[in-house]
Amino acid sequence: AQSVAQPEDQVNVAEGNPLTVKCTYSVSGNPYLFWYVQYPNRGLQFLLKYITGDNLVKGSYGFEAEFNKSQTSFHLKKPSALVSDSALYFCAVRALNRDDKIIFGKGTRLHILP
Amino acid sequence: AAGVIQSPRHLIKEKRETATLKCYPIPRHDTVYWYQQGPGQDPQFLISFYEKMQSDKGSIPDRFSAQQFSDYHSELNMSSLELGDSALYFCASSPRTGGGEKLFFGSGTQLSVL
Repeated sequence: AQSVAQPEDQVNVAEGNPLTVKCTYSVSGNPYLFWYVQYPNRGLQFLLKYITGDNLVKGSYGFEAEFNKSQTSFHLKKPSALVSDSALYFCAVRALNRDDKIIFGKGTRLHILP
Repeated sequence: AAGVIQSPRHLIKEKRETATLKCYPIPRHDTVYWYQQGPGQDPQFLISFYEKMQSDKGSIPDRFSAQQFSDYHSELNMSSLELGDSALYFCASSPRTGGGEKLFFGSGTQLSVL
């Protein structure tokens, strides 16, 4: 069964500093990996995905994520954080074996401090 | 661009009542997913449909049922409501093209059971 772990409940970063939100996964076979962001009282919004190819994936709002197969990680990164990046971030995985569902991590609340 | 539409936006029910949540996917999206997100929790997969047939099932209680109609909209029927059913219920849709496609989420239905 697939699973996703986000080890940090909360991450605090000063505005302008680089940010990293960690994610590790467990899945049989090759994974589809995703990052979603959730703002208060809103649905989840897609940020980026890794299917295959380049391990560094670029997404919306200047975010990127690096797929590391040996470490089974898919950390979300941004070179320079903005206060508006403050939100709840979910890592998600979907197996490539035609299993339909996407499984989400517990979420990491990102606080960007002005 | 059209998004996933969920109705109602908010719903207040009492214990043991029934509730019906509706989801209208993005046009030409043939797959619908339902997720339940409790306060401060990650989205939990409930059930999914592809081409009007149930394609996967997660942690959906027996008191809940769902279906997808010929126009691809879906309804989640919840009976004998319990206090613990209070949550944000998300619907998401995607085109089923080889798997791995990102999900497009609606804004959710906030269900409060009193």
